Amino acid sequence: KQEVTQIPAALSVPEGENLVLNCSFTDSAIYNLQWFRQDPGKGLTSLLLIQSSQREQTSGRLNASLDKSSGRSTLYIAASQPGDSATYLCAVLSNDYKLSFGAGTTVTVRA
Amino acid sequence: GAVVSQHPSRVICKSGTSVKIECRSLDFQATTMFWYRQFPKQSLMLMATSNEGSKATYEQGVEKDKFLINHASLTLSTLTVTSAHPEDSSFYICSARGDRGVANYGYTFGSGTRLTVV
Repeated sequence: KQEVTQIPAALSVPEGENLVLNCSFTDSAIYNLQWFRQDPGKGLTSLLLIQSSQREQTSGRLNASLDKSSGRSTLYIAASQPGDSATYLCAVLSNDYKLSFGAGTTVTVRA
Repeated sequence: GAVVSQHPSRVICKSGTSVKIECRSLDFQATTMFWYRQFPKQSLMLMATSNEGSKATYEQGVEKDKFLINHASLTLSTLTVTSAHPEDSSFYICSARGDRGVANYGYTFGSGTRLTVV
């Protein structure tokens, strides 16, 4: 069974600082890894999807890396803003087409 | 493209009543839909997988008689929480698999339903 772990569980930084969020997974037989953003009481917003053959994806201030062999992914958010405050979820699509989520990292960016 | 609409966004019901949540794919045909549950400050847990025209497959520990799933068409799946109790209060969210390869595009998620049973 795929286990997905996110560290840290919570993070508080001053505005302008770079954010580093970590995700690890136990089974490397995956199709892709996806990072989502979730605001309180809301659904999921997809941020980045990295296919298993890729090493990283970038979108604006966001960059996500994937090391499939070691079961790790890192989401970098550059020059954080208060609007980046949210919970960030990592999800792994295994070869059985099941999506497994981490518990998330709750980010607070202080103005 | 690939939009999933989920209704209602919030519902409050009395203990013992049933509640139906709808998940619709608006611009694609969803052969498979998934239902998740999320407790506060916890991750999303897969409850069941529904395939159009067949019975849903429930994850271990999920009561299929309590959480009835129907996927009668390629654009609609429903989750009915029967005889709801306060411990069923949670955030329920659906996702759909369409005709684009999920390895490249992933699944599309609804906006979720906050259920409160009083």
